[in-house]
Amino acid sequence: AQKVTQAQTEISVVEKEDVTLDCVYETRDTTYYLFWYKQPPSGELVFLIRRNSFDEQNEISGRYSWNFQKSTSSFNFTITASQVVDSAVYFCALSEAKSGGYNKLIFGAGTRLAVHP
Amino acid sequence: SAVISQKPSRDICQRGTSLTIQCQVDSQVTMMFWYRQQPGQSLTLIATANQGSEATYESGFVIDKFPISRPNLTFSTLTVSNMSPEDSSIYLCSSTRGSTDTQYFGPGTRLTVL
Repeated sequence: AQKVTQAQTEISVVEKEDVTLDCVYETRDTTYYLFWYKQPPSGELVFLIRRNSFDEQNEISGRYSWNFQKSTSSFNFTITASQVVDSAVYFCALSEAKSGGYNKLIFGAGTRLAVHP
Repeated sequence: SAVISQKPSRDICQRGTSLTIQCQVDSQVTMMFWYRQQPGQSLTLIATANQGSEATYESGFVIDKFPISRPNLTFSTLTVSNMSPEDSSIYLCSSTRGSTDTQYFGPGTRLTVL
């Protein structure tokens, strides 16, 4: 069965600290996609990144970086020099291929990040 | 990315009543999805709505409780029927766009049932 584990329930850091959010997944599919979403206090879910299972290159986007390691089934997210605006709940998700040609998203429990001034 | 809007943004309802949530996408999409996020919890898929066919419900969700309409390629509604306080949640719709599997989400509807 597909599963996403975000073991860190809450993380609290001081502004400018680096922080890594962990994500471990389980799947029997050889082709799959991994995602990170951000949910600020307003409640909307903001797409951050999508990574397919054949692309293990790490990705950097500004202060955000992602480390995908198939050997450990992990897809970790690092925020460098955190800012108060980074405070949010972050969800890791795995897509599951379903009949009918669409992919169902399996979400982790989420990690609540609080960045203090 | 798709631009998705939802109405209402929030509502407070009495138990036993029903609420219909609307989801509008700015372009034609094949699949639309409805999720529930209970307080402090993660997102759970309620159903997938494909235009022109019946919605496909996930385990634990039934059509009588959460009827869905999908009259065209840009619009869907989710009704939460005969509400109880346990239905208090954020309800989010999403869609994919083009050939990508990425789901983009609407701003959500915060429902409180008294």
